[in-house]
Amino acid sequence: DGGITQSPKYLFRKEGQNVTLSCEQNLNHDAMYWYRQDPGQGLRLIYYSQIVNDFQKGDIAEGYSVSREKKESFPLTVTSAQKNPTAFYLCASSYSRGGAGGTEAFFGQGTRLTVV
Amino acid sequence: DAKTTQPNSMESNEEEPVHLPCNHSTISGTDYIHWYRQLPSQGPEYVIHGLTSNVNNRMASLAIAEDRKSSTLILHRATLRDAAVYYCILRRPFSGTYKYIFGTGTRLKVLA
Repeated sequence: DGGITQSPKYLFRKEGQNVTLSCEQNLNHDAMYWYRQDPGQGLRLIYYSQIVNDFQKGDIAEGYSVSREKKESFPLTVTSAQKNPTAFYLCASSYSRGGAGGTEAFFGQGTRLTVV
Repeated sequence: DAKTTQPNSMESNEEEPVHLPCNHSTISGTDYIHWYRQLPSQGPEYVIHGLTSNVNNRMASLAIAEDRKSSTLILHRATLRDAAVYYCILRRPFSGTYKYIFGTGTRLKVLA
């Protein structure tokens, strides 16, 4: 079955450490996104990528980095520069503009990151 | 920037219809209105979308105001499985792809 997979489901980070969250999709989508969700709030865009080897900052990119070396994969690194990293992180994918296919975004099940 | 405004929470009795409102007064002509729902500790799930006309699918109906500044998601018969946070989202063309602009959502509680 096609879908989008995030791992791990839970992640604990010590102060000053970098951690990388995985996101893989087999939907043949060009566009991929990373969102952050804090308790009781909506989703805020961290980074997005519309094609391999290209990505752009979203609304809250400071303290985060991404790469897009393969169409299927869009890992997010939470660096030590991110001062408040504890949150629920969601990855999504969709067709790009002008592409064939549906219009909705597909989301992974999320990674809950906690700083200890 | 465009945003959506929804009530924080709503309650409904099981097997009754539910109308979830959303205001998007700063919507632009190319923005699609999307609705997603999110269960606890899961990713959002697509429900329905529309541009100008009312839309129906197997999950719900979407009623869009003539001026497009508001919309209403209609669940025809709420079940306990429909209890979730419902997000009204604007999907905006942005730099070769789309930007999905989330509001804070409505938490729907379904009473047995």
